[in-house]
Amino acid sequence: DIVMTQSPDSLAVSLGERATINCKCSQSVLFTSSNKNYLAWYQQKPGQPPKLLIDWASTRESGVPDRFSGSGSGTDFTLTISSLQAEDVAVYYCQQYYITPLITFGGGTKVEIK
Amino acid sequence: EVQLVQSGAEVKKPGESLKISCKASGYTFTNYWIGWVRQMPGRGLEWMGVIYPGDSDTRYSPSFQGQVTFSADKSISTAYLKWSSLTASDTATYYCARPKYSNFYQDAFDIWGQGTMVTVS
Repeated sequence: DIVMTQSPDSLAVSLGERATINCKCSQSVLFTSSNKNYLAWYQQKPGQPPKLLIDWASTRESGVPDRFSGSGSGTDFTLTISSLQAEDVAVYYCQQYYITPLITFGGGTKVEIK
Repeated sequence: EVQLVQSGAEVKKPGESLKISCKASGYTFTNYWIGWVRQMPGRGLEWMGVIYPGDSDTRYSPSFQGQVTFSADKSISTAYLKWSSLTASDTATYYCARPKYSNFYQDAFDIWGQGTMVTVS
């Protein structure tokens, strides 16, 4: 299995400040022939299903605010919220979809307001 | 509007069987895989597997192989998740979800159902 390790488990950030979430994969999720990283980021608010924010490691979904950005390649990835807003309080998950049928999610990072 | 609407919450006893549903609308049901994701209370997301309604091809995560069964009814654009004998450890919210691109399940899920809470007690 590919193990996805997110860090930190939780973080508290002041409004308007930067939040950074890391995701480390136990194997590379880069498909070299296409140079695409098979990694996505989701946001889940209480009582709601997850919402896709970013796929292919750095491609933001339509309608997702540009304060959300994804970066990284191979085994190490980052989700950055450049200026935290109150509505960004949620749990964030990374997901690799490179190895099938062992598609896996990270354990989640809870983001709160300091 | 593309959407997935799941059946309502269930309360069952250990050993009982259960089938929950996920009705698709707004797109060609047979052209996209449908996935299932488990979320146990207070826990993270677990990918259970996918089914291709076009031909009922299924791919199960090894963790769920033999524990659940996926099926689909093309005539009513509905996918199903079934247990033959529930245990307390099946207590969770179950989501159906659709990958972004047709005919491709090695992909992120961009459309999600609202979730079905299953309680086994």
